[in-house]
Amino acid sequence: DQQVKQNSPSLSVQEGRISILNCDYTNSMFDYFLWYKKYPAEGPTFLISISSIKDKNEDGRFTVFLNKSAKHLSLHIVPSQPGDSAVYFCAASAGDNNDMRFGAGTRLTVKP
Amino acid sequence: IAGITQAPTSQILAAGRRMTLRCTQDMRHNAMYWYRQDLGLGLRLIHYSNTAGTTGKGEVPDGYSVSRANTDDFPLTLASAVPSQTSVYFCASSLDRINSPLHFGNGTRLTVT
Repeated sequence: DQQVKQNSPSLSVQEGRISILNCDYTNSMFDYFLWYKKYPAEGPTFLISISSIKDKNEDGRFTVFLNKSAKHLSLHIVPSQPGDSAVYFCAASAGDNNDMRFGAGTRLTVKP
Repeated sequence: IAGITQAPTSQILAAGRRMTLRCTQDMRHNAMYWYRQDLGLGLRLIHYSNTAGTTGKGEVPDGYSVSRANTDDFPLTLASAVPSQTSVYFCASSLDRINSPLHFGNGTRLTVT
């Protein structure tokens, strides 16, 4: 029972354009959401997070949007760069523990 | 460089053998975790430890055991490996046990034949 779903296994965008990665969740108790980036042969690296009291969090080129009523979050990367090419995982946790549930990942390719 | 060190980087193991994956962190983080990554399933939590001396079961704990004798080390043991345990294993840590990003090691690729 996957509580966090990333329905697009891959995404390809042109350098300089916007990349939008999507994530849906089913557990209404989730209140902390994160995005991680993963390069081959490396561990995932934390990118950006958002708590359920907010609907937007921005860090440089990366913005995460949270729609609690739709149980949906998205990551926007503007402008996209070739170095952003990686697998992106969304994750969520609930309440008083850090038991994070991860999506299956979306492979982003940014073409020069 | 501060971070998480995992060993070995990769291993081929015969079914039925015992194997311990090692994980050490030098960030003085309180909580540590073991995840496995499988294609199409993302990362799934095996076991976690909120602080030295305590451990807990995650989403897929069967066939695995952990110990947390001190803050820095969190080994994962497969008592009798089976082919379904073929996976990439990631150790992670976080400063706190609540709402705290995870810091991951570079993983151990394990193949059980």
